[in-house]
Amino acid sequence: GAGVSQTPSNKVTEKGKYVELRCDPISGHTALYWYRQSLGQGPEFLIYFQGTGAADDSGLPNDRFFAVRPEGSVSTLKIQRTERGDSAVYLCASSLSGQGNYGYTFGSGTRLTVV
Amino acid sequence: KQEVTQIPAALSVPEGENLVLNCSFTDSAIYNLQWFRQDPGKGLTSLLLIQSSQREQTSGRLNASLDKSSGRSTLYIAASQPGDSATYLCAVSTQGGSEKLVFGKGTKLTVNP
Repeated sequence: GAGVSQTPSNKVTEKGKYVELRCDPISGHTALYWYRQSLGQGPEFLIYFQGTGAADDSGLPNDRFFAVRPEGSVSTLKIQRTERGDSAVYLCASSLSGQGNYGYTFGSGTRLTVV
Repeated sequence: KQEVTQIPAALSVPEGENLVLNCSFTDSAIYNLQWFRQDPGKGLTSLLLIQSSQREQTSGRLNASLDKSSGRSTLYIAASQPGDSATYLCAVSTQGGSEKLVFGKGTKLTVNP
C-alpha cells in the first residue's frame, strides 16, 4: 500500500480482556517496528521484526505482550489480560531495510483505552 | 543507554518568526537522526533524515543540522506559519542490531496568527 495502515484506529476494552492490534506495512519493507506512546511522551520502542522473525523484542514490557509477523508483511501486536496502564497509542513503523540507511514511515496508530 | 532531550518543551511564537528547536543525545554512536512532526491525535510524519555522516538536510523552510560529536541537532524553521503548529519529535537510530529509534519527548510549537 501507499502507507503504513493500522487497525483499529481506536479500541476500548475492559481490564483483563485480550486485544489484537494490526499493522500493514508498506509493500516491500522488510523492517517493521512497534512503538508505544503515552500522553505527553515520545514513542517508546517495543519490538522489531526483520522479515518474519522478531530480531529485537527488548522493549516489550512483560510477557503479556506478544507480536507476530508470520509472512513477513502484516504484523499483529497481542496484549493479554490488559491493564489500565496499557492505555496508550500504539504506533507501527516500517523501513526498507532496517539498516539505518533509510527513514521510517509511521502509521496513524491505534489508541487503546483500557477501562 | 541512549537518552534524547528536547528543549524547549513548548514554544509559542508569532507568525513569520524564524525559530530553532533543539535536540541532544547522550551516545554519539548513531546511524541517523530524524525529525518528525506529530499533529494532535495523529501519527508521525517524517520531516528530515540526517545520516551520521551528514551535517545537515534541508526541505523547503526546514533545515536540520547534526553535530554528532557533541550530540546535538537543531531544527530551524523559517518564516513560521500557523500551519506549522504541532509537536516536533527528534529521534536517533542506534547502532548495532535493530536500529530502533530513541525519541525525545518533543517540542510543542504554537504559531499564532
